[in-house]
Amino acid sequence: AQKVTQAQTEISVVEKEDVTLDCVYETRDTTYYLFWYKQPPSGELVFLIRRNSFDEQNEISGRYSWNFQKSTSSFNFTITASQVVDSAVYFCALSERSGGSNYKLTFGKGTLLTVNP
Amino acid sequence: DAGITQSPRHKVTETGTPVTLRCHQTENHRYMYWYRQDPGHGLRLIHYSYGVKDTDKGEVSDGYSVSRSKTEDFLLTLESATSSQTSVYFCAIRTSGNTGELFFGEGSRLTVL
Repeated sequence: AQKVTQAQTEISVVEKEDVTLDCVYETRDTTYYLFWYKQPPSGELVFLIRRNSFDEQNEISGRYSWNFQKSTSSFNFTITASQVVDSAVYFCALSERSGGSNYKLTFGKGTLLTVNP
Repeated sequence: DAGITQSPRHKVTETGTPVTLRCHQTENHRYMYWYRQDPGHGLRLIHYSYGVKDTDKGEVSDGYSVSRSKTEDFLLTLESATSSQTSVYFCAIRTSGNTGELFFGEGSRLTVL
């Protein structure tokens, strides 16, 4: 069984604050992939990043950074100097092979981030 | 742009009526998925397809059926809609490669009265 837990249901910050969104996952597989998606108020789902289970290097993309730690089964997402446009629901997801070449993607319940001016 | 179009984007229907949602892709990807999104539940997989006429169930498949007669179209049908099926439905495709990320359509908001 796989499970993705985003313990923070809602976070509210003031613009320019740093904010970290937590994601903890459970899996028995040794090969898996982790993702973050963003869902702005307009409703579309935007793919942000993928990490595979063999690559624990942290990644930075502009104001976004991701910290992957297998030892704690966590894949946390930090936004530095948050902006109002970062306000969205953020989903963490876990993908495992589920037979043949198919992958099953399981989502956490999401964290609503509100950045206030 | 992953070339995914969902239709209709919004629909209001009554309990007991059949409803079909369409997902159309332009890039001939093999894998297609239907998810539903509900407050407090995130996104949950309904059904998926791994090729023409090849489909399988997800975690919340009861009350839904799917069909894929062409690579580009994946249909989700509610044979007799219920109020519990009021939701936002997302279609997704998996592009080539073995990393599993999905790209989503814009969503279809269904209200069952």
